[in-house]
Amino acid sequence: SAVISQKPSRDICQRGTSLTIQCQVDSQVTMMFWYRQQPGQSLTLIATANQGSEATYESGFVIDKFPISRPNLTFSTLTVSNMSPEDSSIYLCSVIFWDRGENEQFFGPGTRLTVL
Amino acid sequence: EDKVVQSPLSLVVHEGDTVTLNCSYEVTNFRSLLWYKQEKKAPTFLFMLTSSGIEKKSGRLSSILDKKELFSILNITATQTGDSAIYLCAGSSGTYKYIFGTGTRLKVLA
Repeated sequence: SAVISQKPSRDICQRGTSLTIQCQVDSQVTMMFWYRQQPGQSLTLIATANQGSEATYESGFVIDKFPISRPNLTFSTLTVSNMSPEDSSIYLCSVIFWDRGENEQFFGPGTRLTVL
Repeated sequence: EDKVVQSPLSLVVHEGDTVTLNCSYEVTNFRSLLWYKQEKKAPTFLFMLTSSGIEKKSGRLSSILDKKELFSILNITATQTGDSAIYLCAGSSGTYKYIFGTGTRLKVLA
């Protein structure tokens, strides 16, 4: 298993502003993932963040809107840029320890974002 | 297009009842199916299933996978109010991608 922390746990923001969400893992992991869960919806993968390379974005998500950093093997950030009320969601980071021969996916506690 | 469908969408039962949650999937190069419990924000891992017909159990929860019919069930016996949550299933292909269903919202009444 893994201990994953996220900051902030929640925030209320004004439209047009940006918010950076941090994700910290207690052990090194190659692949980190960012998900979004809009109200009443399931989890949707935004992007995969690998250390030392550009993030890989899923269809419908672009780097200008959701820039991601992955400076080392235990940390990543997701920025939600130029926010609108439609960005109100729970944002979750997650990890999979492929190098341990595991493919269980563990989630951080999430960031609840409300955009006014 | 890969998809995971869960049923029912919501369920209300009384303490002590047994519930069965369903998950059907169409996932290219299917590798495993995972069940999660989501109470507030973060889903917590319950089971990972990779082989057909082998039941996994954890206390009052159990789950089984049918790779021929492309579905899985999650059973909860003797339900308690603490079981109230959204239960998510997710199918994975050989890659890191997990396709999540929309979940079943379970409410257990005292």
